[in-house]
Amino acid sequence: AQTVTQSQPEMSVQEAETVTLSCTYDTSESDYYLFWYKQPPSRQMILVIRQEAYKQQNATENRFSVNFQKAAKSFSLKISDSQLGDAAMYFCAYRSRDDKIIFGKGTRLHILP
Amino acid sequence: DVKVTQSSRYLVKRTGEKVFLECVQDMDHENMFWYRQDPGLGLRLIYFSYDVKMKEKGDIPEGYSVSREKKERFSLILESASTNQTSMYLCASGQGAPYNSPLHFGNGTRLTVT
Repeated sequence: AQTVTQSQPEMSVQEAETVTLSCTYDTSESDYYLFWYKQPPSRQMILVIRQEAYKQQNATENRFSVNFQKAAKSFSLKISDSQLGDAAMYFCAYRSRDDKIIFGKGTRLHILP
Repeated sequence: DVKVTQSSRYLVKRTGEKVFLECVQDMDHENMFWYRQDPGLGLRLIYFSYDVKMKEKGDIPEGYSVSREKKERFSLILESASTNQTSMYLCASGQGAPYNSPLHFGNGTRLTVT
């Protein structure tokens, strides 16, 4: 069975600085999809960024980028120029070809003004 | 915009009651999911469905069942609620393909079992 591990329960970063959130996963599949979701204090989860395992190029979305290391089964999220609105729980997620989607335990990110 | 609506924001039930949590999506998504969210445990998958009347167990299905009679509606049923089922329940929907399609979440139902 696949597992997703986020080893940092909480992190803090100064406003305008860069922070990296870690995610590792375990799978025997070769074809899968990875996501980072954000859950602000208002609770509704939204997509931040996604990565297809067959793509070597790391995904980027504005200030958000990933470092995808397939051999190491690592999928970290980098947030550049952190803003107060980035404060949230961040979840790493794995989707297999059988449509099952599993999440890590999350990392709570605090932005320090 | 995709809308995923969970019928209740807060729910208080007694031990042993049968509890229904309803979820409706308006974007004709094939896949629907039920997760529970607990502090320190993240989101854990209870059940998911990839088509009408089809269901698959997630990682923690014990004590729960689901029903998907119509494509837009996915119900989570607690046959006999227990205090350890006190939690935040999140419903989500998504397209079957392409596989990089994101999930769309509801606002969650905070269930308290006393």
